[in-house]
Amino acid sequence: AQKITQTQPGMFVQEKEAVTLDCTYDTSDPSYGLFWYKQPSSGEMIFLIYQGSYDQQNATEGRYSLNFQKARKSANLVISASQLGDSAMYFCAMRERLYGNNRLAFGKGNQVVVIP
Amino acid sequence: EAGVAQSPRYKIIEKRQSVAFWCNPISGHATLYWYQQILGQGPKLLIQFQNNGVVDDSQLPKDRFSAERLKGVDSTLKIQPAKLEDSAVYLCASSLGPDWSDTQYFGPGTRLTVL
Repeated sequence: AQKITQTQPGMFVQEKEAVTLDCTYDTSDPSYGLFWYKQPSSGEMIFLIYQGSYDQQNATEGRYSLNFQKARKSANLVISASQLGDSAMYFCAMRERLYGNNRLAFGKGNQVVVIP
Repeated sequence: EAGVAQSPRYKIIEKRQSVAFWCNPISGHATLYWYQQILGQGPKLLIQFQNNGVVDDSQLPKDRFSAERLKGVDSTLKIQPAKLEDSAVYLCASSLGPDWSDTQYFGPGTRLTVL
């Protein structure tokens, strides 16, 4: 079964606007971590933000914030004030404490293109 | 702080040849991972090391892939012999520890093309 679902088609975003990338996950483990990574065309996987299942507040890192809705099993990434350098694939990933063999499970990614 | 280093960045080989990839993790990171990323997909774990011991290699095709992490620092991933379906990006990652909450930091990857 798919642990992480990212179903949005490729997105075009105007520079300086905000963009929201959807991610839903499936787990029955009470302890898990959610991660977002950015992968530009160069291929490197760049860590953006982390949300733990017990964290009460939504995580923020600079222009990145995570809209964590635990009951809905949703962990959407919000990028504010988009820049041309934000053009990339974005991957949502989850790691469970008890299940999933302690592996980081990735979704299929969202493609974002920022246009001037 | 230096990130995860990988080499080479690109490699083109013919099927049935052998190839090796090298990874140097972030200093102090005890856990090292090798991932395979096929075009259009998310990365898939091949092997996880804790210091110089293997924690998880259940998804490593052991008939052709091997990996080692001597002295608990650098690691090498080898494919011998390569097949066409091995064309992918091979990513190395490291984390402070093996826990579910430990962030994995990735290197730039090696893009392998098998002809």
